[in-house]
Amino acid sequence: AQSVTQLGSHVSVSEGALVLLRCNYSSSVPPYLFWYVQYPNQGLQLLLKYTSAATLVKGINGFEAEFKKSETSFHLTKPSAHMSDAAEYFCAVSLNTGGFKTIFGAGTRLFVKA
Amino acid sequence: GAGVSQSPSNKVTEKGKDVELRCDPISGHTALYWYRQSLGQGLEFLIYFQGNSAPDKSGLPSDRFSAERTGGSVSTLTIQRTQQEDSAVYLCASSLRTGVQETQYFGPGTRLLVL
Repeated sequence: AQSVTQLGSHVSVSEGALVLLRCNYSSSVPPYLFWYVQYPNQGLQLLLKYTSAATLVKGINGFEAEFKKSETSFHLTKPSAHMSDAAEYFCAVSLNTGGFKTIFGAGTRLFVKA
Repeated sequence: GAGVSQSPSNKVTEKGKDVELRCDPISGHTALYWYRQSLGQGLEFLIYFQGNSAPDKSGLPSDRFSAERTGGSVSTLTIQRTQQEDSAVYLCASSLRTGVQETQYFGPGTRLLVL
């Protein structure tokens, strides 16, 4: 069965430090992978997505993610955290199985310390 | 242009009552999705409207849940005989086209509390 696992429900970093949010997926077909961010009391918005082009994907706000097929991973990184990055981040996988199927991870809440 | 809007933003109801949640997608978007987000959980897919095709209802948790999309635009999610476990944030999203590569644009959600 297809699934998405986000390691760590909470991650805390200092301002200026590296942000690393982990996402692993399982899929029997080539996946399309997404990272969404949710700020308090707002809906989700797309950070970036992988659609089988370049394996290193750059998104908004300085975030990027690398698709590693051998590791079935799509970890999200940012070199230097900013206070405004504090939010909840969701990894999602969409599968072309002849019908709609997008599976979201449980989310990782990012805290940024001054 | 305007994003996805949802109403009401908050809804408190008593167990056993019916509720209707509304979603206005981005104009021109052909696909519309409903998700449920429970506390500490990821997003749970509920239903997907794909243009003029029959909706994918495979995520609806019980027959108390139903949804319709009138005129290819506004959608209403109805929960009949609400239960306390229905308490969650209900998110609506739309995308320009159908297809698994499409970016979904989310509304702010409706927070439902069933007492």
